[in-house]
Amino acid sequence: DGGITQSPKYLFRKEGQNVTLSCEQNLNHDAMYWYRQDPGQGLRLIYYSQIVNDFQKGDIAEGYSVSREKKESFPLTVTSAQKNPTAFYLCASSPPGRNTEAFFGQGTRLTVV
Amino acid sequence: SQKIEQNSEALNIQEGKTATLTCNYTNYSPAYLQWYRQDPGRGPVFLLLIRENEKEKRKERLKVTFDTTLKQSLFHITASQPADSATYLCALVRGSQGNLIFGKGTKLSVKP
Repeated sequence: DGGITQSPKYLFRKEGQNVTLSCEQNLNHDAMYWYRQDPGQGLRLIYYSQIVNDFQKGDIAEGYSVSREKKESFPLTVTSAQKNPTAFYLCASSPPGRNTEAFFGQGTRLTVV
Repeated sequence: SQKIEQNSEALNIQEGKTATLTCNYTNYSPAYLQWYRQDPGRGPVFLLLIRENEKEKRKERLKVTFDTTLKQSLFHITASQPADSATYLCALVRGSQGNLIFGKGTKLSVKP
């Protein structure tokens, strides 16, 4: 099945620790995105990548880092510098073009304990 | 600044009625607008895309309108069912990079 896979579904982290969220797609999409969703806030863009080995900051990049070494993979690291990391994280991909839909993974719920 | 707003956080309707959700935007001239459905604890799923030169688009019980003068899109679900209960998000493409930005969503509850 073609799709976008995020893992793990639930993640717990101690304060002060970095943690990496996985996102893999087999849709052959060039563009990939990371969003954060908080209650009442909607989806906010963290980072995006339009092509391998290139990525750009979104609206709330502080405290996060990404890499795009392979077309299929776009992992997100939540660093200890992120002040309020507890949230629902969504990864998405889209085919080329400006009028194309985004395909989302099932999300990772990160909780800082 | 550019904004996209969904005016109602929640909408409660009776089964069989038509649900109408609103999406407004400011400081944009989008070429098209998208609507997504999101169920609790899951990622959004694409429903419909409407282009600026399309006044209306339909898919089964769904209908979307796009008024570039009012800077508004309306999303209708006719003959609503309890299974339609979910959060509905509108989205616009921002800038040359083509990133999607989303409204905060409207949570629809359809009561039997």
